[in-house]
Amino acid sequence: DAGITQSPRHKVTETGTPVTLRCHQTENHRYMYWYRQDPGHGLRLIHYSYGVKDTDKGEVSDGYSVSRSKTEDFLLTLESATSSQTSVYFCAISETSVASGNTIYFGEGSWLTVV
Amino acid sequence: GESVGLHLPTLSVQEGDNSIINCAYSNSASDYFIWYKQESGKGPQFIIDIRSNMDKRQGQRVTVLLNKTVKHLSLQIAATQPGDSAVYFCAENFNQAGTALIFGKGTTLSVSS
Repeated sequence: DAGITQSPRHKVTETGTPVTLRCHQTENHRYMYWYRQDPGHGLRLIHYSYGVKDTDKGEVSDGYSVSRSKTEDFLLTLESATSSQTSVYFCAISETSVASGNTIYFGEGSWLTVV
Repeated sequence: GESVGLHLPTLSVQEGDNSIINCAYSNSASDYFIWYKQESGKGPQFIIDIRSNMDKRQGQRVTVLLNKTVKHLSLQIAATQPGDSAVYFCAENFNQAGTALIFGKGTTLSVSS
């Protein structure tokens, strides 16, 4: 398994509260990603990072922010959680760009419930 | 073996059969494709990949076929086992800058013994 650790693995939070999910990798990969997975929608990209302090938006970035201050850590923050953000969140990593034929490897997921 | 057409959400096979899971991808400019397996409660696990300059690639018990003419990808699993039961996703490198993958909706494979 790729060396990816997500925390927390499960969380229940109230609407309007901030939430931060952490992804830690031990592979020294340059690229890191946050996806969410929902029934009927599959896996959708929220944000990704292509280096320390270098991030960009994915297709479902509204309501989310990210930060990457170290190669090994990529944080996903929900500034004010809403029920529509109840989902399973997956962190993923790749050595370099997917366009270079580098596979994306996934973590085990973080289950977030917003009540 | 059993073919499921362009995409069906579920596929049920008997242990020992060959399985074929199909995927239609969206962008003719996509140049890299990956198949993932996801078991219940776990993250997607890499199975096999293929670049657009190839039309076939084989792994251990798995083969991926790529038909760029009709934008179609398939995953063949030989001698399917109960441990192969999972959801299978295809993914394409869609973004021209090559930064991320776009995933299909997935097919649930159920293997009965």
